[in-house]
Amino acid sequence: EAGVAQSPRYKIIEKRQSVAFWCNPISGHATLYWYQQILGQGPKLLIQFQNNGVVDDSQLPKDRFSAERLKGVDSTLKIQPAKLEDSAVYLCASTLPRTGPFYEQYFGPGTRLTVT
Amino acid sequence: SQQGEEDPQALSIQEGENATMNCSYKTSINNLQWYRQNSGRGLVHLILIRSNEREKHSGRLRVTLDTSKKSSSLLITASRAADTASYFCATDRFENTDKLIFGTGTRLQVFP
Repeated sequence: EAGVAQSPRYKIIEKRQSVAFWCNPISGHATLYWYQQILGQGPKLLIQFQNNGVVDDSQLPKDRFSAERLKGVDSTLKIQPAKLEDSAVYLCASTLPRTGPFYEQYFGPGTRLTVT
Repeated sequence: SQQGEEDPQALSIQEGENATMNCSYKTSINNLQWYRQNSGRGLVHLILIRSNEREKHSGRLRVTLDTSKKSSSLLITASRAADTASYFCATDRFENTDKLIFGTGTRLQVFP
């Protein structure tokens, strides 16, 4: 089974520039998550999609971050304009629809963003 | 915000020794999970323990959960160099099991 795919793996941009990340979840996984992981910290949820609808974006800095999942499969996360503090690894995860209390997330390799 | 706090922040041991890391959390949960993260394989799910369970085993992993103290521990027995990684606990919320909140992580270094 193919895992969660993300691209690019690395990105270096200057502050105030724009950047976009792409995620392709595991086939059949309806729920997709974007996380931000700052060096030395645990992942922090930015946004959660169920199919193509947003379930939770309470921690997404909406003045500069946006995300979409138009057809309920692939997703893109955009930052415009980037700030120095956005330097982090951006992780995408997916999971099957929950049929019980058990629930495991499958993570992609992440995109490491450096803002200079 | 981080729900869980792991301690120690960093741990160094020799191969063959046991490694114990602890996680404390703040709110009522349904499940607690442990994940491992290394540069080679990214973030990988290790084990899940439900709020009505007190202990769970999986291979060399042993997880305990004390809901009265809002804490969990992960024990890795007979550690190997390949266990070198960061370990995170992740909790859901009692009212929302679809959203995970990760702790700060323990960085484990296992020396050959």
